[in-house]
Amino acid sequence: KNEVEQSPQNLTAQEGEFITINCSYSVGISALHWLQQHPGGGIVSLFMLSSGKKKHGRLIATINIQEKHSSLHITASHPRDSAVYICAVLNTGNQFYFGTGTSLTVIP
Amino acid sequence: GAGVSQTPSNKVTEKGKYVELRCDPISGHTALYWYRQSLGQGPEFLIYFQGTGAADDSGLPNDRFFAVRPEGSVSTLKIQRTERGDSAVYLCASSSTLTSPLHFGNGTRLTVT
Repeated sequence: KNEVEQSPQNLTAQEGEFITINCSYSVGISALHWLQQHPGGGIVSLFMLSSGKKKHGRLIATINIQEKHSSLHITASHPRDSAVYICAVLNTGNQFYFGTGTSLTVIP
Repeated sequence: GAGVSQTPSNKVTEKGKYVELRCDPISGHTALYWYRQSLGQGPEFLIYFQGTGAADDSGLPNDRFFAVRPEGSVSTLKIQRTERGDSAVYLCASSSTLTSPLHFGNGTRLTVT
């Protein structure tokens, strides 16, 4: 069983659609990260959350500590948003666990 | 400013050989992490350093893998007697503290033939 589960694994959307990617985890955490990985590219940190909600441009990340769940939302999606989005949690023992990623394709 | 730098970007080696992978973190970042990522998978935690000491090496798959960070900045991941299953992209990340945003390098693609 993975400590971090993401859904969906793959997602195709039309340009302009609102997108939600979900992350559930089973461990107690100190922080949760949302990461973006473009094909052949490096990984970029989008958000780090320990509670509540954060917004950066068209991206919004929320976390519910009681439910052990986080969501990444993309508003007005664009083809350049196409990437793999990875959820990672830092547990209270300072170990990182990664989800397997959600591959997003936004079609013009 | 300079980000996390990993060298080499690609490494091809024969089964049984020894390899070293280098990570230069962002200056001043005390936390440094090594991960590896196989095709189609999310990153897998290997080890992290807080300063010079390996705070958690529980992710290292076996004793062929070893990592050092002698002066609290540059880190080297060492793999002895490489096996084909070691082929992956090895990623390094650093952060100013454990609960600060992560900054990733572009990775070293290791291919063991």
